[in-house]
Amino acid sequence: NAGVTQTPKFQVLKTGQSMTLQCAQDMNHEYMSWYRQDPGMGLRLIHYSVGAGITDQGEVPNGYNVSRSTTEDFPLRLLSAAPSQTSVYFCASSIGTSGYTDTQYFGPGTRLTVL
Amino acid sequence: AQSVTQLDSHVSVSEGTPVLLRCNYSSSYSPSLFWYVQHPNKGLQLLLKYTSAATLVKGINGFEAEFKKSETSFHLTKPSAHMSDAAEYFCVVNGGYQKVTFGTGTKLQVIP
Repeated sequence: NAGVTQTPKFQVLKTGQSMTLQCAQDMNHEYMSWYRQDPGMGLRLIHYSVGAGITDQGEVPNGYNVSRSTTEDFPLRLLSAAPSQTSVYFCASSIGTSGYTDTQYFGPGTRLTVL
Repeated sequence: AQSVTQLDSHVSVSEGTPVLLRCNYSSSYSPSLFWYVQHPNKGLQLLLKYTSAATLVKGINGFEAEFKKSETSFHLTKPSAHMSDAAEYFCVVNGGYQKVTFGTGTKLQVIP
């Protein structure tokens, strides 16, 4: 199993550009989520999905869109990049049977810089 | 509402000495509690979790944590630090899908 994979590993954008961060998992997990990690702030939940076709907002959803057309994939779209979106982005998945006792499995992260 | 506080942003120990990373939480219900470790430029990996079974939880690499409801704490310990333990550690409160709260992290430095 590859686990949770993310592409790209690094990305530099100019303000106003759009892009999609890719996330895929091969563990047949129902629950997937996106976090951003900023210095001194831990990880904050952006969006999450409890299954194909179902998504919802987390703590910091503004400026980001998601969709979940398959169990495996959960892309994160930046609509119009802003310098405040400079961060490290992590995708995570869990089996999804419980919600609050499940272990989350994290991808290696995407380091995004917006100039 | 729920919150988690990691009381130390940096902890420095000598190799072979005990490790204590402190975590206090606040929750209006009975959440699950997790410790994750992040090595430099890597994703997060589960160390251990508490899910209302035994209050003393053993994890990987010799780490353990004790859930103390009366103190609302979930401190992480290890009897003897190893150089490979140098990393950032996150305490996490999970009250449901959208109720996942991460602490701000504790960076552990191990001095040879």
